[in-house]
Amino acid sequence: RKEVEQDPGPFNVPEGATVAFNCTYSNSASQSFFWYRQDCRKEPKLLMSVYSSGNEDGRFTAQLNRASQYISLLIRDSKLSDSATYLCVVNRGQAGTALIFGKGTTLSVSS
Amino acid sequence: EAGVVQSPRYKIIEKKQPVAFWCNPISGHNTLYWYRQNLGQGPELLIRYENEEAVDDSQLPKDRFSAERLKGVDSTLKIQPAELGDSAVYLCASSLDGASPTNEKLFFGSGTQLSVL
Repeated sequence: RKEVEQDPGPFNVPEGATVAFNCTYSNSASQSFFWYRQDCRKEPKLLMSVYSSGNEDGRFTAQLNRASQYISLLIRDSKLSDSATYLCVVNRGQAGTALIFGKGTTLSVSS
Repeated sequence: EAGVVQSPRYKIIEKKQPVAFWCNPISGHNTLYWYRQNLGQGPELLIRYENEEAVDDSQLPKDRFSAERLKGVDSTLKIQPAELGDSAVYLCASSLDGASPTNEKLFFGSGTQLSVL
């Protein structure tokens, strides 16, 4: 089993749609969780951290389910500018271990 | 504040040739990562440094890859000899303190796109 697995893409949605991405991780000791965004031919950039209680940043909501070792990202009211690849990132285990990336899920928002 | 700086931006070499990539992390960042990213894939960890110490290099192909981070600041990643399968984008990232859950967010450089012919 891969350390971090994500929904296979691509997701093609119209503007204004709500879309959700899922991610599972294999190490129950993992403690740090993030979503990164990567535009075509650009470097990944931090979108948001994921906290145990769940967190929201504008149209973006991240959830963590430790029991199921599952992370989600919800995007509401999709914009054309949301088109990108979304990368799930989890640390390898205890605090201070390496950050491991999923394969990424590609989102395409159309008008 | 300057971001993570990588060079060169692009590199084209013939197989069996050596190649080196350079990274200057954000000032004050103790943790430095090298990742490799193939088309359509997520970044794959090669090596992670805490200051000048390599603390996770289990995925670095040590027969041909080497890395160093002298003085705990700049880092170089070398491939010798390069193979066709090494064609990828090599990304460098840094964080303030990889050992701290609140300071481990990664900041990436623009990457070096390597083409091995």
